[in-house]
Amino acid sequence: DIQMTQSPSTLSASVGDRVTITCRASQTFNNWLAWYQQKPGQVPKLLIYKASSLENGVPARFSGSGSGTEFTLTISSLQPDDFATYYCQQYDSYPWTFGQGTMVEIK
Amino acid sequence: QLVQSGVEVKKPGASVRVSCKASGYDFMLYGMHWVRQAPGQGLEWMGWISTFNGNTDYSQKFQDRVTLITDTPTTTAFMELRSLRSDDTAIYYCASEGFHAALALWGQGTMVTVSS
Repeated sequence: DIQMTQSPSTLSASVGDRVTITCRASQTFNNWLAWYQQKPGQVPKLLIYKASSLENGVPARFSGSGSGTEFTLTISSLQPDDFATYYCQQYDSYPWTFGQGTMVEIK
Repeated sequence: QLVQSGVEVKKPGASVRVSCKASGYDFMLYGMHWVRQAPGQGLEWMGWISTFNGNTDYSQKFQDRVTLITDTPTTTAFMELRSLRSDDTAIYYCASEGFHAALALWGQGTMVTVSS
């Protein structure tokens, strides 16, 4: 199984900050990597697919990059609506696996 | 959209069946996955079913206790989990792949509580 490890687990930031979340995989795979946002009491929402492609309707301040075993999600200028938990997920091979999540909280 | 069945409360050792009704897209075009989230915890992938031919792949963690099926005429997917334990208490989500294979469309979630 491909293990996904996110860092940090919690991130405190202010509106307008540039935020970066890292996701490391236990083995290399072919960029089938997604990022999801989940707010309390809500359903996860797809932000990024194939490591760097923006899902329709997702603001351009979100971007994804990386390859091999290291991937990042960047929010260029944090907005009030962005305070949430973010998960990476590999969908290269079964079993699909998620990172443990990164909570972005208000500083 | 994906609309799931309602809250379930079960006793340890029982089984639960959660349904997921799809509408607004070609049901047979995209695979259906099931993901669960225990209270205050992260997302956990349980398994996948091809809505085209019924092929499945399960997480080894649930291999012996879970069954995924679909009913094409009603465009509904089902997840059955057997031999429930207290640590199966969680929200269970169905989620459909998009054209890009990531989980683009999610059901609203079904809370399953296992308690004696």
